[in-house]
Amino acid sequence: KAGVTQTPRYLIKTRGQQVTLSCSPISGHRSVSWYQQTPGQGLQFLFEYFSETQRNKGNFPGRFSGRQFSNSRSEMNVSTLELGDSALYLCASSSSTGLDTEAFFGQGTRLTVV
Amino acid sequence: DAKTTQPPSMDCAEGRAANLPCNHSTISGNEYVYWYRQIHSQGPQYIIHGLKNNETNEMASLIITEDRKSSTLILPHATLRDTAVYYCIVRGFNAGNNRKLIWGLGTSLAVNP
Repeated sequence: KAGVTQTPRYLIKTRGQQVTLSCSPISGHRSVSWYQQTPGQGLQFLFEYFSETQRNKGNFPGRFSGRQFSNSRSEMNVSTLELGDSALYLCASSSSTGLDTEAFFGQGTRLTVV
Repeated sequence: DAKTTQPPSMDCAEGRAANLPCNHSTISGNEYVYWYRQIHSQGPQYIIHGLKNNETNEMASLIITEDRKSSTLILPHATLRDTAVYYCIVRGFNAGNNRKLIWGLGTSLAVNP
């Protein structure tokens, strides 16, 4: 079974641009979560989607948005990029939204804003 | 929100057991303890999770104290490939009944030859 796939693996963008990151979950998984990881902050939760609905949202500005498609694939978008948005963006999928369900992570997208 | 406290770094000799502690003194009755690890620049890898009872799988054992305020992840025979940052996480529901995961900064485990 294929794991979680994130594309692209690396991105370099300029301040003020926008970016879209993609995540394909494990087949059959309907929950997708997104995280931002920076050296000083660790993993910060962005949002979680389940069956095309946003179920939970972290404390990020409105420039960060996401969506989930009917095939469970998810995208996140960051508009008006800032230097501080440079980070590793991780996607995780799980089969449900229950507490007793492990999440599997992709390799991440490394975004650099210059 | 229940959060976790872990030592920032630990060392272990190859072939020995690595015991990684985690404090979660504010954990609620229905919250699970999860362990993940992250090897440099890769996505976190699931290791094990538990609620009350001790758990064991092919990767590790999880020992949860009776009062559930702390736990220990045990890697029985550490190898060089176990060098990674290990995260202990509490997973529960927030006020909106949605699942929440709070990550700390983890323990950087160095396995030495």
